[in-house]
Amino acid sequence: KNEVEQSPQNLTAQEGEFITINCSYSVGISALHWLQQHPGGGIVSLFMLSSGKKKHGRLIATINIQEKHSSLHITASHPRDSAVYICAVRSNAGGTSYGKLTFGQGTILTVHP
Amino acid sequence: NAGVTQTPKFQVLKTGQSMTLQCAQDMNHNSMYWYRQDPGMGLRLIYYSASEGTTDKGEVPNGYNVSRLNKREFSLRLESAAPSQTSVYFCASSEGLRPQHFGDGTRLSIL
Repeated sequence: KNEVEQSPQNLTAQEGEFITINCSYSVGISALHWLQQHPGGGIVSLFMLSSGKKKHGRLIATINIQEKHSSLHITASHPRDSAVYICAVRSNAGGTSYGKLTFGQGTILTVHP
Repeated sequence: NAGVTQTPKFQVLKTGQSMTLQCAQDMNHNSMYWYRQDPGMGLRLIYYSASEGTTDKGEVPNGYNVSRLNKREFSLRLESAAPSQTSVYFCASSEGLRPQHFGDGTRLSIL
């Protein structure tokens, strides 16, 4: 079993729909990241969370540390949101100071006009 | 605003050939990373460098070597390429525990 599991693996939506992508993890963490990878391949960081909720434009990320679960929501989805969304966690084991991450497999989102 | 620059963007090699993937960052970050990305799998860490002068193995280091040339540059070398190393390779950098910044990737095919 992977340390970081995302669901669904593939998601198709119509423009305007509310979208939720889920991430579950099995290790103790100090932070969780959501990243976006566009078809061209570049990867950008969307959020870094250690508790609660963060919002940026139409994107909202939440985390429940006790349940080891995070969600990424997209409100009023648009075709330009089509991308792979990746969850990654930083373990709290070992007390390391560098940002070593463990990644989920990614969720492929396609938004149709 | 170059960020993290990887070269080359594409490369085709024959089995047994060697090559070096280059990575440079201009954000004065201490930590740098090399990942590979394969279909159906998450990004997997090959090697990382927590700071200039140090390197450590990640999850899948076999068949690779790295050099942290200076604070800016972190290269990945394939000494004898194998078809199993066909992948997309990403370099990233970060400062402390802040989010990582990624390069655009290198698509490597080994025949």
